[in-house]
Order: sequence, then structure tokens, then C-alpha cells
Amino acid sequence: DTGVSQNPRHKITKRGQNVTFRCDPISEHNRLYWYRQTLGQGPEFLTYFQNEAQLEKSRLLSDRFSAERPKGSFSTLEIQRTEQGDSAMYLCASSSGQGGTEAFFGQGTRLTVV
Amino acid sequence: KQEVTQIPAALSVPEGENLVLNCSFTDSAIYNLQWFRQDPGKGLTSLLLIQSSQREQTSGRLNASLDKSSGRSTLYIAASQPGDSATYLCAVRSNDYKLSFGAGTTVTVRA
Repeated sequence: DTGVSQNPRHKITKRGQNVTFRCDPISEHNRLYWYRQTLGQGPEFLTYFQNEAQLEKSRLLSDRFSAERPKGSFSTLEIQRTEQGDSAMYLCASSSGQGGTEAFFGQGTRLTVV
Repeated sequence: KQEVTQIPAALSVPEGENLVLNCSFTDSAIYNLQWFRQDPGKGLTSLLLIQSSQREQTSGRLNASLDKSSGRSTLYIAASQPGDSATYLCAVRSNDYKLSFGAGTTVTVRA
């Protein structure tokens, strides 16, 4: 297993377009997380899945954002009608078991909205 | 709401010097604390995980301490090398799943 995989690594899009990012977690991990990081800041929590169930969404996740994890495997994060303020690094992480376990992050998807 | 602060924001040291990175958090009711390394434009690499019941954790030249009651953790990096140059992030897990991050300390090790 090569760890958490995210695609694409970079995405440049025009304002108003829709974009979709994919995350493949470590295969035996049932928990999957999305975070967003802007320049000079630490990552901020967006949403959390346990298997296929989305158990929490941050208030940062506006109605333009939607995340899915069909069949509890890979996850997608879609942003509709992108805005310049959506430009950020989108990070995916996964972990197994309960809250005491280590979280492993992917390489991130850098989104630039022009 | 858990607030995590990392001081200093940036640090520059000559090669061979020991590094001391500080992390403080406001709510001591935590599950664990995790230190990460981030290279420019890259994702996060986990360095050390300290459970709430532990006082410290060691991995090679890295040692992290945790004082839950005072809301503090310190990451020590011994005998720094230019390859240690990166941003180091502290993250606290306050519930079953959510990590709260500090803004990081950017370290430069001069050869």
C-alpha cells in the first residue's frame, strides 16, 4: 500500500466552473477526512466519513461543496460554481479504528481559481 | 472550541543545533496529539503520535513531550540537518475524529 492517494495534484479552473477531487485512502482504513489549507495556515476540518456515512460537515463547507464516499472506499469532493476564495490546498486523510489512532494524509490537491 | 498555537512562527538555526518547537492548546480534554512535517507544496507526513495518557514519544532524533494539564507539547529535534528544513505542524484530537491544527513553525537549518 502506497498510502493515501489524491488526484489531481494540481487544478486550475475559471471562476464559476465545477471541480471534483478524488481521494483513495489506505485500504484497511474505515475513516476518511477532508481538510482545507490556505497559505500560512494550518489545515481546517471540512468533513468526516466513517465507512460510507458522512458523520459531520464543518460550517466551512458551504452548499456549493459536496462530498461522497460510495461503498466506503474512495471519496470525492466536488465544488460547484467555484469562487476565488476556494483557492487552497485540499487534503485528504484516513485512519482506522477509534479516535486514538494515527491519521495519515495524502499529498493534497492544490486548487487555483482564476 | 479547541485553539492550537505554535510559537515561534519561524526559526532559523545553524546545522547541528538542537531544535525546540512549542505547541499549546486551550482544552486539555484531548484524545491525542500528533506532530506533522510539511514540505513546501506537499501534504503532511506524520512524525509522532502521543496518546493523552503518555508523557513523551521518541523516534530517532525526534522527541515529543506532552503536558496535558497545562495544554502544552514540545517537539525536540536533535542535531539538526539541512534536510530538516520544513514546516512543522501540531494537531490535537479533541473528539473521536477531528484534528485541530496550529499554523505551524517554519524551520530553516543553515548548512
